[in-house]
Amino acid sequence: EAQVTQNPRYLITVTGKKLTVTCSQNMNHEYMSWYRQDPGLGLRQIYYSMNVEVTDKGDVPEGYKVSRKEKRNFPLILESPSPNQTSLYFCASRDYPTDTQYFGPGTRLTVL
Amino acid sequence: DAKTTQPNSMESNEEEPVHLPCNHSTISGTDYIHWYRQLPSQGPEYVIHGLTSNVNNRMASLAIAEDRKSSTLILHRATLRDAAVYYCILRHNFGNEKLTFGTGTRLTIIP
Repeated sequence: EAQVTQNPRYLITVTGKKLTVTCSQNMNHEYMSWYRQDPGLGLRQIYYSMNVEVTDKGDVPEGYKVSRKEKRNFPLILESPSPNQTSLYFCASRDYPTDTQYFGPGTRLTVL
Repeated sequence: DAKTTQPNSMESNEEEPVHLPCNHSTISGTDYIHWYRQLPSQGPEYVIHGLTSNVNNRMASLAIAEDRKSSTLILHRATLRDAAVYYCILRHNFGNEKLTFGTGTRLTIIP
């Protein structure tokens, strides 16, 4: 089944404790991205990647890092999480040429 | 990016058609109109997209005005599973890779 998976689905952590949210897709898509969703602000893009070893900032990249060493994986790294990073995070990959984006199930992160 | 305007919420009876409107008066000639929906506790899901002509797929139909300044997503026979937030999004053809989500329309289906 074609899908985007994220882990963990839920995470509660404390300020400053480094964490990684993994994202994997099995559709051989070149483009992947991360979004965060907050009440009243909608979905905002954090980082995206056009292909392996090619990443770029989205609208709200501060406090986040990403890497793209393999086509299928695109982890999101919070090196020193802060409470304002409490949010619902979605990973997505894009199909070419249909331009359809496929989203993962989401990771709900709480930073205390 | 060109913006879209949608009603905040709509209600519809189960098993009846639903017409979800979207205004995009500043659309450019290269903008595709995409629709996504987000079911409760899930990630956004692609519904349909089009450029100028009306489009149909297994989930819905997209009716695009002749001047392209508005469009309508049509769910032909709404079910309870169609209750979701529906987003109308404009995208340049493989230009900006980002999806810019607005606040969308929250669709409630009445049994």
